[in-house]
Formats: sequence, C-alpha cells, structure tokens
Amino acid sequence: AQSVAQPEDQVNVAEGNPLTVKCTYSVSGNPYLFWYVQYPNRGLQVLLKYITGDNLVKGSYGFEAEFNKSQTSFHLKKPSALVSDSALYFCAVRDNTGGFKTIFGAGTRLFVKA
Amino acid sequence: DGGITQSPKYLFRKEGQNVTLSCEQNLNHDAMYWYRQDPGQGLRLIYYSQIVNDFQKGDIAEGYSVSREKKESFPLTVTSAQKNPTAFYLCASSMETGGATQYFGPGTRLLVL
Repeated sequence: AQSVAQPEDQVNVAEGNPLTVKCTYSVSGNPYLFWYVQYPNRGLQVLLKYITGDNLVKGSYGFEAEFNKSQTSFHLKKPSALVSDSALYFCAVRDNTGGFKTIFGAGTRLFVKA
Repeated sequence: DGGITQSPKYLFRKEGQNVTLSCEQNLNHDAMYWYRQDPGQGLRLIYYSQIVNDFQKGDIAEGYSVSREKKESFPLTVTSAQKNPTAFYLCASSMETGGATQYFGPGTRLLVL
C-alpha cells in the first residue's frame, strides 16, 4: 500500500540556521513527489514538486528538496530559515502508473525562532 | 483572478441537520477533491471526481455525499449520518497532465452546535 511518513511532528530551528523537514515514502513505480505548505486557517499551496529529471528540485521561497530513490526519501531543505517560514509542511506522493489519489503525510510543524 | 473558492468560511451544524459546503474553481481543471483535516492527522480524502457526472469515494466517505454537475463546481454535503463532523474541510483541483499539482481553496471550518 502507498504511504508517506513524516517522522517529526515538529521541527524547531533558529532564524538563519539551515532547516530540514524529513519525508520518506512507499509507492510502486516512479512517483510524483510534492511538498505543500499551510499557513494558519488557510489552504495548502505547493512549494515544489519532483516528476522526473534532476534529483535536486528548487521551489518557492528558497526551499529545495532532494529525491533519493534508493532511500525513498524526499527531504525538504532551506539553507537559512526565516521566522516567516513557520508553518505546517506536508509531503505528498502520487503513483503515476495509473492511480489517481495523492497520499499526504501527517504534516510537520516548523517553528523558526528569532 | 483564477483560483478555488470555498464558502462559507465557518459553518455551524445542528444535530440531525445536513449541511452543504460549496467549492468552485475557474482553473478549468478536470479533477476535484474533498479532504478533511483534523489536528495531527494530515489530510484524509473524502471524495474525488475526475470528470463531470462522475465521482469516487475516498478513504472516509461515510456520512458524506457529493455531486459534480458542472466542471466548475463540486459541493460536499455533510449528512446527519456523519457523527463527528467537526473539522477543517479543504477542496482542491488539478489538471491530470503535467504532474497533477493540486490547488487548494481556503477551507471551511465546520463546527457542531
């Protein structure tokens, strides 16, 4: 069965420090991978996505993620965190072999301290 | 402005009452989705629709119903059979080509009186 794991409920970093939000997945075939961000009482918006090609994907607001097929991981990273990055982050996976559903992880709350 | 709108922002339901959440998109997307969000549980799929006049149950469809009479609209009804409806409801849409990124509405928070 397809699944997405975000092992950390919460990540705390100081402003200016690098941040990583972890994601691992289990899905057959070659998946589409996404990171979404949610600000309080708002819908989700896509930060970046991997479909094919270069394993390092650059997205909005200076975020990037690296697709690692052997480790089935897609960790979200940013070299220097901002207080405004504080939000709820979701990793999502879609099987592109004919399935239709996107599976979302449980979410990781990021707190960036000034 | 292209996007997805949801209304109302807040909705109160009395016991035994059916309520309908609205979702409209002007992105010309074929696919639309309804998710339920509870604290610490991420997003759970209620229903989805790939095309007008067709929809499928997601993982937690019991107590909910939908219709897709127009491409732009995908309303969700929370019926009295849904015993724990308090949650944040999110509607999304996507093209089925180009990576299937989902675009979300601002959400409706449903509360039980």
